[in-house]
Amino acid sequence: NAGVMQNPRHLVRRRGQEARLRCSPMKGHSHVYWYRQLPEEGLKFMVYLQKENIIDESGMPKERFSAEFPKEGPSILRIQQVVRGDSAAYFCASSPLGQGDTDTQYFGPGTRLTVL
Amino acid sequence: KQEVTQIPAALSVPEGENLVLNCSFTDSAIYNLQWFRQDPGKGLTSLLLIQSSQREQTSGRLNASLDKSSGRSTLYIAASQPGDSATYLCVLGSARQLTFGSGTQLTVLP
Repeated sequence: NAGVMQNPRHLVRRRGQEARLRCSPMKGHSHVYWYRQLPEEGLKFMVYLQKENIIDESGMPKERFSAEFPKEGPSILRIQQVVRGDSAAYFCASSPLGQGDTDTQYFGPGTRLTVL
Repeated sequence: KQEVTQIPAALSVPEGENLVLNCSFTDSAIYNLQWFRQDPGKGLTSLLLIQSSQREQTSGRLNASLDKSSGRSTLYIAASQPGDSATYLCVLGSARQLTFGSGTQLTVLP
């Protein structure tokens, strides 16, 4: 059973371009979470999605950021018009049940975004 | 709002020492607490998961405790090895999201 997969592992963008980060959850998992780790800071929750639904986006910046988890295919975190402050490691996690008490999240290796 | 603090921020010990990493949190209404390991340039590895109803978990040389009433958790590493060098993250699980501490960067010197 492959783990959570993220691609690309490293992404370089110039200011103003768009960044698309992909996350394929573990087989059988229908819940996906995105986290961001800024340089010298801890990881922070961004968004929680189930298939075709955004459940909690309280950690998502209001502008330029969006996330989706379609019925088929990976979850996508999209950042429009990137700025240097978007440079960070973006981690995806998945869980089978989405239940905090008994469920654990499995993390992918992360995508390191560098904005020039 | 949950806040998670890890002390110390960095720790350097000689090989073979036993050590304790500390984590404190402000909101005791948690579902679970996990300790993760993060290696440079790599993802996160879950080390131990303690459910809110439990007080400790053990795996090999690692032992983690949880005291919800005082808002504290400790990660005990016995007989440390250079391969233990990494950043250790304390992570609180609530209803739908995880809250991460800023980590303790551990260096074990050979």
